[in-house]
Amino acid sequence: DTEVTQTPKHLVMGMTNKKSLKCEQHMGHRAMYWYKQKAKKPPELMFVYSYEKLSINESVPSRFSPECPNSSLLNLHLHALQPEDSALYLCASSQDRQGWGYEQYFGPGTRLTVT
Amino acid sequence: GQNIDQPTEMTATEGAIVQINCTYQTSGFNGLFWYQQHAGEAPTFLSYNVLDGLEEKGRFSSFLSRSKGYSYLLLKELQMKDSASYLCAVTSGGSYIPTFGRGTSLIVHP
Repeated sequence: DTEVTQTPKHLVMGMTNKKSLKCEQHMGHRAMYWYKQKAKKPPELMFVYSYEKLSINESVPSRFSPECPNSSLLNLHLHALQPEDSALYLCASSQDRQGWGYEQYFGPGTRLTVT
Repeated sequence: GQNIDQPTEMTATEGAIVQINCTYQTSGFNGLFWYQQHAGEAPTFLSYNVLDGLEEKGRFSSFLSRSKGYSYLLLKELQMKDSASYLCAVTSGGSYIPTFGRGTSLIVHP
């Protein structure tokens, strides 16, 4: 199984709502990532988890709160978002090492619209 | 830090060959990835280069020159479905986390 799944596919939320994005992989990957992607731009790294511990936070506003409940699951909790946070949110996983066969696998993304 | 540069957009004709270049400046280069991303979809892995030379995989080939800080992705026998964004990504300094270039939007027309 080389699949990364994400739910929901689409999400519309108001600025006062609280919602969560979910990501799951069963490839035994120990590194998991959240990216934000705006149209016609490359993915922008937000968070990296390594062995279920947060290892990188790219100065992301606190209205985004990541969580890694176990080695297969990654959540992104959203609260009090702004319209400019509307984007495609991608989850990815990989082995926590570099070299052949250690590429990232991406989920299909959640298209988030903040109204 | 790292600096990765790719052309923003390229156009090509169905059946032709296109070369997408990527130049990078980094200390402690480890490897270079190419990903394909169709609009609204997830990036998918195409190739990985760590040594100098050409890696061929079907219609797609990727080349690396570490001394020049240069890579290219070569797409042969272009098909309409090859219209997508192509992302170059580099790992360096012992980190497994890639840094992405801005991507090259390839438009294939009949």
